[in-house]
Amino acid sequence: EIVLTQSPGTLSLSPGERATLSCRASQSVNSNYLAWYQQKPGQAPRLLIYGAYRRATGIPDRFSGSGSGTDFTLTISRLEPEDFAMFYCQQYGPSPPYTFGQGTKLEIK
Amino acid sequence: QVQLVESGGGLVKPGGSLRLSCTASGFTFSDHPMSWMRQAPGKGLEWLSHISSSGSTISYADSVKGRFTISRDNAESSLYLQMNSLRAEDTAVYYCARREGDSWGQGILVTVSS
Repeated sequence: EIVLTQSPGTLSLSPGERATLSCRASQSVNSNYLAWYQQKPGQAPRLLIYGAYRRATGIPDRFSGSGSGTDFTLTISRLEPEDFAMFYCQQYGPSPPYTFGQGTKLEIK
Repeated sequence: QVQLVESGGGLVKPGGSLRLSCTASGFTFSDHPMSWMRQAPGKGLEWLSHISSSGSTISYADSVKGRFTISRDNAESSLYLQMNSLRAEDTAVYYCARREGDSWGQGILVTVSS
């Protein structure tokens, strides 16, 4: 099973700043199957990025994904007030088990 | 539009059983592999199980293997999770989702408590 470790656990930033979230895998991940989600309290997760760098439908271009192998990054170029939430990475293929990272909380400084 | 709606959650005693349903609409259900995930109170997301579009390939997380059974009825556009031998640590919000992760249900709470 691939273990995903996200860092930092909590990131405190102000609106307008740049956010960089990391997801490191215990073994190489097929980049076609690396996703990032945003989750707000009481809501289901929302897909932001799939295939390591492809933005999901309707996701603003301030969100970008990068990386390969065992190291992946989600970058939010200029934080908006609505961006503050929990973020999870997930590897979902090509075959199960699919695993999530433990999450990064992005909070307002 | 794409919609997934879970049902069947609630309060159950330890050792009991529960069957969750996920009804899909707005897309061709039989074309999509599906998954179940859960989130314990205040915790992160946990992938539980996956079923291929035809139902011929199934996988489980170790935490639920042997206790939970995933199935689907493509004619009814429905996904199921039969949960047996429930434990307190199974208390969580359960989500169904398309394998691609682009569509999730709203979640259903399962509470295992005496």
